[in-house]
Amino acid sequence: DTAVSQTPKYLVTQMGNDKSIKCEQNLGHDTMYWYKQDSKKFLKIMFSYNNKELIINETVPNRFSPKSPDKAHLNLHINSLELGDSAVYFCASSPTRTDTQYFGPGTRLTVL
Amino acid sequence: GNSVTQMEGPVTLSEEAFLTINCTYTATGYPSLFWYVQYPGEGLQLLLKATKADDKGSNKGFEATYRKETTSFHLEKGSVQVSDSAVYFCALSEVTSGTYKYIFGTGTRLKVLA
Repeated sequence: DTAVSQTPKYLVTQMGNDKSIKCEQNLGHDTMYWYKQDSKKFLKIMFSYNNKELIINETVPNRFSPKSPDKAHLNLHINSLELGDSAVYFCASSPTRTDTQYFGPGTRLTVL
Repeated sequence: GNSVTQMEGPVTLSEEAFLTINCTYTATGYPSLFWYVQYPGEGLQLLLKATKADDKGSNKGFEATYRKETTSFHLEKGSVQVSDSAVYFCALSEVTSGTYKYIFGTGTRLKVLA
Protein backbone atom coordinates (compact mmCIF):
# COMPACT_ATOMS: atom_id res chain seq x y z
CA ASP A 1 0.00 0.00 0.00
CA THR A 2 1.54 3.27 -1.13
CA ALA A 3 1.04 5.95 1.50
CA VAL A 4 1.66 9.03 -0.68
CA SER A 5 1.56 8.54 -4.42
CA GLN A 6 2.24 10.94 -7.26
CA THR A 7 1.60 10.71 -10.98
CA PRO A 8 3.35 10.90 -13.28
CA LYS A 9 6.83 9.97 -12.07
CA TYR A 10 8.47 11.57 -15.10
CA LEU A 11 7.15 14.44 -17.18
CA VAL A 12 8.96 15.77 -20.25
CA THR A 13 7.33 18.65 -22.07
CA GLN A 14 7.95 21.69 -24.22
CA MET A 15 8.14 25.29 -23.04
CA GLY A 16 4.78 27.00 -23.01
CA ASN A 17 2.75 23.86 -22.35
CA ASP A 18 0.37 23.35 -19.43
CA LYS A 19 0.73 20.27 -17.24
CA SER A 20 -0.65 18.78 -14.03
CA ILE A 21 0.81 16.56 -11.33
CA LYS A 22 -1.50 14.54 -9.13
CA CYS A 23 -0.99 13.53 -5.52
CA GLU A 24 -2.98 11.20 -3.32
CA GLN A 25 -2.46 10.09 0.27
CA ASN A 26 -4.21 7.19 1.98
CA LEU A 27 -2.97 7.99 5.50
CA GLY A 28 -5.97 10.03 6.57
CA HIS A 29 -3.79 13.09 7.14
CA ASP A 30 -5.20 16.59 7.38
CA THR A 31 -2.26 18.49 5.90
CA MET A 32 -0.68 18.22 2.46
CA TYR A 33 2.25 20.05 0.82
CA TRP A 34 3.96 20.68 -2.47
CA TYR A 35 7.74 21.14 -2.58
CA LYS A 36 10.17 21.90 -5.38
CA GLN A 37 13.65 20.38 -5.21
CA ASP A 38 16.36 21.77 -7.46
CA SER A 39 19.44 20.02 -8.79
CA LYS A 40 21.41 20.90 -5.64
CA LYS A 41 18.77 19.16 -3.53
CA PHE A 42 17.51 22.41 -2.01
CA LEU A 43 13.90 21.91 -0.90
CA LYS A 44 11.49 24.82 -1.32
CA ILE A 45 7.96 24.80 0.10
CA MET A 46 5.41 25.95 -2.46
CA PHE A 47 1.98 25.33 -0.99
CA SER A 48 0.28 23.72 1.96
CA TYR A 49 -3.33 22.76 2.53
CA ASN A 50 -4.98 21.89 5.81
CA ASN A 51 -8.41 20.25 5.57
CA LYS A 52 -8.71 21.48 1.98
CA GLU A 53 -7.92 25.06 2.99
CA LEU A 54 -4.84 26.79 1.56
CA ILE A 55 -2.62 27.77 4.50
CA ILE A 56 0.79 28.33 2.91
CA ASN A 57 1.27 30.03 -0.40
CA GLU A 58 4.92 30.90 -0.77
CA THR A 59 6.27 33.25 -3.36
CA VAL A 60 5.86 31.18 -6.48
CA PRO A 61 4.78 32.39 -9.91
CA ASN A 62 1.02 32.46 -10.30
CA ARG A 63 1.48 30.04 -13.20
CA PHE A 64 1.44 27.43 -10.42
CA SER A 65 -1.98 26.66 -9.01
CA PRO A 66 -2.79 23.99 -6.44
CA LYS A 67 -6.15 22.36 -6.13
CA SER A 68 -7.45 20.15 -3.34
CA PRO A 69 -10.68 18.40 -4.32
CA ASP A 70 -10.75 16.55 -0.99
CA LYS A 71 -8.49 15.90 2.00
CA ALA A 72 -6.77 12.97 0.31
CA HIS A 73 -5.79 14.75 -2.91
CA LEU A 74 -3.66 17.76 -3.75
CA ASN A 75 -2.94 18.43 -7.39
CA LEU A 76 -0.55 20.94 -8.93
CA HIS A 77 -1.28 22.63 -12.23
CA ILE A 78 1.41 24.57 -14.06
CA ASN A 79 0.63 26.93 -16.91
CA SER A 80 3.02 28.19 -19.58
CA LEU A 81 5.94 26.04 -18.51
CA GLU A 82 9.40 27.61 -18.52
CA LEU A 83 12.89 26.10 -18.57
CA GLY A 84 13.42 27.12 -14.94
CA ASP A 85 10.49 24.97 -13.86
CA SER A 86 12.58 21.86 -14.47
CA ALA A 87 13.00 20.20 -11.09
CA VAL A 88 11.69 17.36 -8.96
CA TYR A 89 8.34 18.11 -7.35
CA PHE A 90 7.40 16.34 -4.12
CA CYS A 91 4.04 15.98 -2.51
CA ALA A 92 3.92 15.30 1.22
CA SER A 93 1.31 14.85 3.93
CA SER A 94 1.28 14.99 7.72
CA PRO A 95 -1.25 14.35 10.51
CA THR A 96 -0.83 17.90 11.80
CA ARG A 97 1.05 21.00 10.67
CA THR A 98 3.97 20.33 13.00
CA ASP A 99 4.27 16.54 12.82
CA THR A 100 6.33 14.18 10.66
CA GLN A 101 5.84 14.66 6.94
CA TYR A 102 5.43 11.68 4.62
CA PHE A 103 6.77 12.27 1.14
CA GLY A 104 5.75 10.87 -2.20
CA PRO A 105 8.33 9.46 -4.65
CA GLY A 106 8.57 12.71 -6.59
CA THR A 107 7.80 13.83 -10.14
CA ARG A 108 10.79 14.77 -12.27
CA LEU A 109 9.69 17.56 -14.60
CA THR A 110 11.89 18.39 -17.58
CA VAL A 111 11.00 21.39 -19.71
CA LEU A 112 12.67 21.47 -23.13
CA GLY B 1 12.80 34.23 12.72
CA ASN B 2 13.14 30.48 12.46
CA SER B 3 16.01 28.88 10.59
CA VAL B 4 17.96 25.65 10.27
CA THR B 5 21.65 25.56 9.39
CA GLN B 6 23.40 22.38 8.32
CA MET B 7 27.01 21.74 7.53
CA GLU B 8 27.76 21.85 3.84
CA GLY B 9 28.56 18.67 2.05
CA PRO B 10 29.50 16.51 0.52
CA VAL B 11 30.79 14.44 3.40
CA THR B 12 32.88 11.51 2.19
CA LEU B 13 33.76 8.71 4.61
CA SER B 14 35.14 5.21 4.48
CA GLU B 15 32.94 2.35 5.58
CA GLU B 16 32.87 1.89 9.40
CA ALA B 17 33.94 5.49 10.02
CA PHE B 18 32.20 7.71 12.60
CA LEU B 19 29.70 10.20 11.22
CA THR B 20 28.67 13.60 12.53
CA ILE B 21 26.48 15.99 10.57
CA ASN B 22 26.00 19.28 12.37
CA CYS B 23 22.66 21.04 12.61
CA THR B 24 21.86 24.22 14.52
CA TYR B 25 18.58 26.09 14.65
CA THR B 26 16.96 29.34 15.66
CA ALA B 27 13.42 29.37 16.98
CA THR B 28 11.23 31.61 19.06
CA GLY B 29 9.71 28.89 21.21
CA TYR B 30 10.05 25.14 21.66
CA PRO B 31 10.29 23.46 18.29
CA SER B 32 10.22 19.81 17.39
CA LEU B 33 13.35 18.68 15.56
CA PHE B 34 13.70 16.11 12.80
CA TRP B 35 16.24 14.37 10.63
CA TYR B 36 15.03 13.16 7.25
CA VAL B 37 17.00 11.02 4.80
CA GLN B 38 16.65 10.99 1.02
CA TYR B 39 18.08 8.00 -0.82
CA PRO B 40 18.87 8.38 -4.52
CA GLY B 41 15.75 8.65 -6.66
CA GLU B 42 13.37 8.65 -3.69
CA GLY B 43 11.40 11.07 -1.56
CA LEU B 44 12.44 12.15 1.90
CA GLN B 45 11.64 9.87 4.80
CA LEU B 46 11.81 10.43 8.52
CA LEU B 47 14.99 9.10 10.12
CA LEU B 48 14.43 10.27 13.69
CA LYS B 49 12.90 13.08 15.71
CA ALA B 50 12.86 14.71 19.14
CA THR B 51 10.10 16.87 20.52
CA LYS B 52 11.61 18.40 23.66
CA ALA B 53 14.92 19.40 25.16
CA ASP B 54 17.32 16.58 26.07
CA ASP B 55 15.29 14.01 24.12
CA LYS B 56 17.37 11.64 22.03
CA GLY B 57 15.99 10.36 18.76
CA SER B 58 17.44 7.16 17.35
CA ASN B 59 16.88 4.83 14.41
CA LYS B 60 18.99 2.46 12.28
CA GLY B 61 22.08 3.21 14.39
CA PHE B 62 21.71 6.99 13.96
CA GLU B 63 21.24 9.25 16.97
CA ALA B 64 20.63 12.92 17.64
CA THR B 65 20.08 14.75 20.92
CA TYR B 66 17.96 17.90 21.25
CA ARG B 67 20.28 20.43 22.92
CA LYS B 68 18.41 23.57 23.82
CA GLU B 69 21.42 25.25 25.42
CA THR B 70 23.42 25.07 22.20
CA THR B 71 20.34 25.06 19.86
CA SER B 72 21.72 22.01 18.12
CA PHE B 73 20.54 18.62 16.89
CA HIS B 74 23.65 16.95 15.47
CA LEU B 75 23.27 13.60 13.72
CA GLU B 76 25.73 10.84 14.63
CA LYS B 77 26.40 7.25 13.69
CA GLY B 78 29.19 5.13 15.08
CA SER B 79 29.93 3.06 11.99
CA VAL B 80 28.59 4.04 8.59
CA GLN B 81 27.85 1.65 5.73
CA VAL B 82 27.84 2.14 1.98
CA SER B 83 24.04 1.88 2.14
CA ASP B 84 23.95 5.06 4.28
CA SER B 85 24.97 7.11 1.25
CA ALA B 86 22.16 9.64 0.89
CA VAL B 87 21.22 13.26 1.49
CA TYR B 88 20.32 14.14 5.09
CA PHE B 89 18.01 17.02 6.00
CA CYS B 90 17.59 18.61 9.41
CA ALA B 91 14.21 20.24 10.01
CA LEU B 92 12.22 22.00 12.69
CA SER B 93 8.55 22.60 13.29
CA GLU B 94 7.02 25.13 15.61
CA VAL B 95 3.78 26.92 16.31
CA THR B 96 4.04 30.33 17.92
CA SER B 97 1.07 32.67 18.45
CA GLY B 98 -0.96 30.67 16.00
CA THR B 99 1.70 30.77 13.29
CA TYR B 100 2.96 27.40 12.05
CA LYS B 101 6.49 26.96 10.74
CA TYR B 102 8.10 23.89 9.17
CA ILE B 103 11.62 24.56 7.95
CA PHE B 104 14.10 22.25 6.25
CA GLY B 105 17.84 22.74 6.14
CA THR B 106 19.72 22.74 2.84
CA GLY B 107 20.66 19.06 3.09
CA THR B 108 24.04 17.37 3.50
CA ARG B 109 25.13 14.74 1.03
CA LEU B 110 26.92 11.74 2.55
CA LYS B 111 29.00 9.42 0.44
CA VAL B 112 30.37 6.25 2.03
CA LEU B 113 33.15 4.42 0.20
CA ALA B 114 33.72 0.68 0.49
